[in-house]
Amino acid sequence: QKEVEQNSGPLSVPEGAIASLNCTYSDRGSQSFFWYRQYSGKSPELIMSIYSNGDKEDGRFTAQLNKASQYVSLLIRDSQPSDSATYLCAVNEGGVTGGGNKLTFGTGTQLKVEL
Amino acid sequence: DAEITQSPRHKITETGRQVTLACHQTWNHNNMFWYRQDLGHGLRLIHYSYGVHDTNKGEVSDGYSVSRSNTEDLPLTLESAASSQTSVYFCASSASPGGPYNEQFFGPGTRLTVL
Repeated sequence: QKEVEQNSGPLSVPEGAIASLNCTYSDRGSQSFFWYRQYSGKSPELIMSIYSNGDKEDGRFTAQLNKASQYVSLLIRDSQPSDSATYLCAVNEGGVTGGGNKLTFGTGTQLKVEL
Repeated sequence: DAEITQSPRHKITETGRQVTLACHQTWNHNNMFWYRQDLGHGLRLIHYSYGVHDTNKGEVSDGYSVSRSNTEDLPLTLESAASSQTSVYFCASSASPGGPYNEQFFGPGTRLTVL
């Protein structure tokens, strides 16, 4: 059973701080990694994708991937109250040659940004 | 603009009834997915399709069926609704990959209550 693990939280950070969200996965062959944001009562929204080891930055968001440690993280700089949501980590089961397009999701980490 | 829609957005039904949830996307994506989301379980894959006339079972497929007669639609049918199928259902779609890229985009969801 392929697993994606996240701390459920809530993770509370003050406004303006850096929020660090973490995710580990069990399938060493995983190739693609995604972070989704989900506001209460809404659908998941893709905010970051990462495919190679290292960091990928997009505005206030930075995704970090370490395939050797099977670890992916999301950093949110200058956190705002509007960032308060649940963040879902998702991992593509297969690589280029197999596994198709299925994603395995973690249960999400709830982030609260406090004024 | 391309989008993915679901209907109905809310549905209340009785145990034993057949229910069909609609999913329609205008992205022209080949790949479509149905998930259910429950507290403590995250997003779990019910069924998925990689193209017209292709359907596959996910991890929680018992009691559900899908059919794909065109690119745009993947309806989800609950053959005989059970209280355990009370949940929020999300449809998602993604493009066929040219590489390990499998970004999925989600519809707004359907909240189903089985009494």
